[in-house]
Amino acid sequence: EAGVTQSPTHLIKTRGQQATLRCSPISGHTSVYWYQQALGLGLQFLLWYDEGEERNRGNFPPRFSGRQFPNYSSELNVNALELEDSALYLCASSLGSQRGETQYFGPGTRLLVL
Amino acid sequence: GENVEQHPSTLSVQEGDSAVIKCTYSDSASNYFPWYKQELGKRPQLIIDIRSNVGEKKDQRIAVTLNKTAKHFSLHITETQPEDSAVYFCAVWIQGAQKLVFGQGTRLTINP
Repeated sequence: EAGVTQSPTHLIKTRGQQATLRCSPISGHTSVYWYQQALGLGLQFLLWYDEGEERNRGNFPPRFSGRQFPNYSSELNVNALELEDSALYLCASSLGSQRGETQYFGPGTRLLVL
Repeated sequence: GENVEQHPSTLSVQEGDSAVIKCTYSDSASNYFPWYKQELGKRPQLIIDIRSNVGEKKDQRIAVTLNKTAKHFSLHITETQPEDSAVYFCAVWIQGAQKLVFGQGTRLTINP
């Protein structure tokens, strides 16, 4: 069974540009989560999508947005990029989340903003 | 609250010894507590998890204990090996906030 996949693996942008990151969950998983992991730091929750709807978002500005498609894959968009957006962006999927389900992570997209 | 405190931030042990990492949380409604291992340049991998109706869970050399009254849980690794070297993250599912909150991570180094 294939795990969570993410693309691209690396992304280089300049300040002010937009970035689009993609995630495909494990087959059968309906929930997709996005996290930001800045260098040497922990994982900060960004967004949660389930069954095509945004269920929750973390303490990030509105320029961080996304969506989930009918096949449960997801896209994270970051507008008006700032230098501090440089980080590893991790996607995770689970079977849905009524009470806390196990989340499985993808390999991440490393975003560098110059 | 959504606070998850993890200690220590770094831990160095001799190969074969045990390692213990502790996390405390503030939300008494929390009900799911996973531990992830992240090797350098790789994705976080789930190594063990525990739910609030269980006090202890073991999987070979790894065990997790949960004290709901005191709101803390710990990861225990016995007979450590060089491949156990990594950053370990605890996490707590905050039922009210509907999100997984991670600790700050512990860099574990196993010295041969």
